[in-house]
Amino acid sequence: DGGITQSPKYLFRKEGQNVTLSCEQNLNHDAMYWYRQDPGQGLRLIYYSQIVNDFQKGDIAEGYSVSREKKESFPLTVTSAQKNPTAFYLCASGQGSREKLFFGSGTQLSVL
Amino acid sequence: GESVGLHLPTLSVQEGDNSIINCAYSNSASDYFIWYKQESGKGPQFIIDIRSNMDKRQGQRVTVLLNKTVKHLSLQIAATQPGDSAVYFCAERGMDSSYKLIFGSGTRLLVRP
Repeated sequence: DGGITQSPKYLFRKEGQNVTLSCEQNLNHDAMYWYRQDPGQGLRLIYYSQIVNDFQKGDIAEGYSVSREKKESFPLTVTSAQKNPTAFYLCASGQGSREKLFFGSGTQLSVL
Repeated sequence: GESVGLHLPTLSVQEGDNSIINCAYSNSASDYFIWYKQESGKGPQFIIDIRSNMDKRQGQRVTVLLNKTVKHLSLQIAATQPGDSAVYFCAERGMDSSYKLIFGSGTRLLVRP
């Protein structure tokens, strides 16, 4: 069935380690987004991509990196430069930058 | 600057009653608003949206009202059910070139049996 798939559901990071969160969509959407959610708070935009091979920083991009080599995929790497990575990470996609977003089920990242 | 906020962080209602969740926004130029529902440990689920050229839109058991004069958005849920218990977010579209969605901090809806 169509939708957005995030993996893994839970991820643990060791000190100084880079980790990559996967996001795949089969909705044929052009735009994809990564949001971070801290407990009891709203969503903050990390990175977004409106088209393949192009992406822009969101409001809290420091310590993160992304790539958009395929329309279906928008992986997020949490680098060692991100000093407070523990959060719930949500990937979303949309038909265009002016339309509603559809979200994946999220990845909970914790630090060991 | 742009901001989206909510008046009530937690709303408790009796099953069967109507629920009203409120949201204030500060950017009078915003032209698109969305309500999402998020259950614990899951991603947000789209409920309903409204564009700024409308003041009311209805869905199944839900109604969104937009008052541009006072920059206020509300979500009304009719005959609230236990399955409606969740955190509800409003979001507005920013008016810079990115057309980013800006999310509020959320309201938790608790439905009492």
